[in-house]
Amino acid sequence: QQQVKQSPQSLIVQKGGISIINCAYENTAFDYFPWYQQFPGKGPALLIAIRPDVSEKKEGRFTISFNKSAKQFSLHIMDSQPGDSATYFCAAKAQAGTALIFGKGTTLSVSS
Amino acid sequence: DAGVIQSPRHEVTEMGQEVTLRCKPISGHDYLFWYRQTMMRGLELLIYFNNNVPIDDSGMPEDRFSAKMPNASFSTLKIQPSEPRDSAVYFCASTPNLRGGYTFGSGTRLTVV
Repeated sequence: QQQVKQSPQSLIVQKGGISIINCAYENTAFDYFPWYQQFPGKGPALLIAIRPDVSEKKEGRFTISFNKSAKQFSLHIMDSQPGDSATYFCAAKAQAGTALIFGKGTTLSVSS
Repeated sequence: DAGVIQSPRHEVTEMGQEVTLRCKPISGHDYLFWYRQTMMRGLELLIYFNNNVPIDDSGMPEDRFSAKMPNASFSTLKIQPSEPRDSAVYFCASTPNLRGGYTFGSGTRLTVV
């Protein structure tokens, strides 16, 4: 029940295309859903996050879509660029004193 | 702010040796986390502290692992004795509260041979 399942494991997208990464969870107590971006040799960096009171959040080319009933959320990267090539992690946590639980990551390669 | 600072960046040690990883959180952040990253298991929480007190250490693999936070600006993760299966990247992260995201350090890549 504490798991966050992420797919796909790897993704190759053409420059200018849309990258879509999906995550699913079971714990209905989760109330914070961030996405992290990690470049080689660096730590994960917070990219965008959503709470379950909204179904979508957009920041520039990055959008989170959230489906509470299906217990799923996804990251959409519009107009994908080679500089977006990185590993992306979804995560989730419940409010009461728990730490972030991460998905296993998706390695995105954007070809030019 | 310099962010979360971890040292060393890389550590290569022989099986059986003691290894100590270090972390300096962002000033004013009351929460500090240690995560381990491997290809097989992804990012796993090992332990986290609130105001220097360990809150959840259920992710610590076994008694060979120990973590301390003697003050608000310093934490250590110690492995003794180290084993090849401990090879991973160890991240420290901090946050001012549990409502939002964390700031991660650049990690320590540990190789046990």
